[in-house]
Amino acid sequence: TQLLEQSPQFLSIQEGENLTVYCNSSSVFSSLQWYRQEPGEGPVLLVTVVTGGEVKKLKRLTFQFGDARKDSSLHITAAQPGDTGLYLCAGAMDSSYKLIFGSGTRLLVRP
Amino acid sequence: NAGVTQTPKFQVLKTGQSMTLQCAQDMNHNSMYWYRQDPGMGLRLIYYSASEGTTDKGEVPNGYNVSRLNKREFSLRLESAAPSQTSVYFCASSEMSRRVDGYTFGSGTRLTVV
Repeated sequence: TQLLEQSPQFLSIQEGENLTVYCNSSSVFSSLQWYRQEPGEGPVLLVTVVTGGEVKKLKRLTFQFGDARKDSSLHITAAQPGDTGLYLCAGAMDSSYKLIFGSGTRLLVRP
Repeated sequence: NAGVTQTPKFQVLKTGQSMTLQCAQDMNHNSMYWYRQDPGMGLRLIYYSASEGTTDKGEVPNGYNVSRLNKREFSLRLESAAPSQTSVYFCASSEMSRRVDGYTFGSGTRLTVV
């Protein structure tokens, strides 16, 4: 059983479209992070959110942490082919800072 | 460049063989981690080391052992490889006092057990 559920698992869209990726859990997290992973490489941190209701923007990417700190979303505006990759959410549940990862959303942006 | 270095990048083992995956970081991080990544399952924690001299089991520790050799190095050993251990293995490090910085990952070791 996956503690963090991501949806959708796969997404194929045209350049210029908008999209949202969801990360949901029944557990409360002290912080939540989003990573992007490209083929043959390790995940790279995009953002960390720590406060319920927090919204962070990174250029065309908008990240939101749910009020109850159980869920998060990633919204991409006007997607570009360079956004193609595997997007992973990861939550920390306690002070040991072990991260629990979701199963990932594989995004393909077609030119 | 500063970061996490993993060796080897690729390895093929026969069932029953042993091997050690090496990991070193040069960011002076206290904590280090080993994850495995399988299709559709994200990253699953095998073992971690919160600080030099300590190691703890993660979600999927069976069939693996680890050694935190010093602050920089954290190795993962497969004593008797099994086909179920075919996976991509990632080492990561972090500084617990700065959670917002997240994990820094190596580029992975792709292991195939035949």
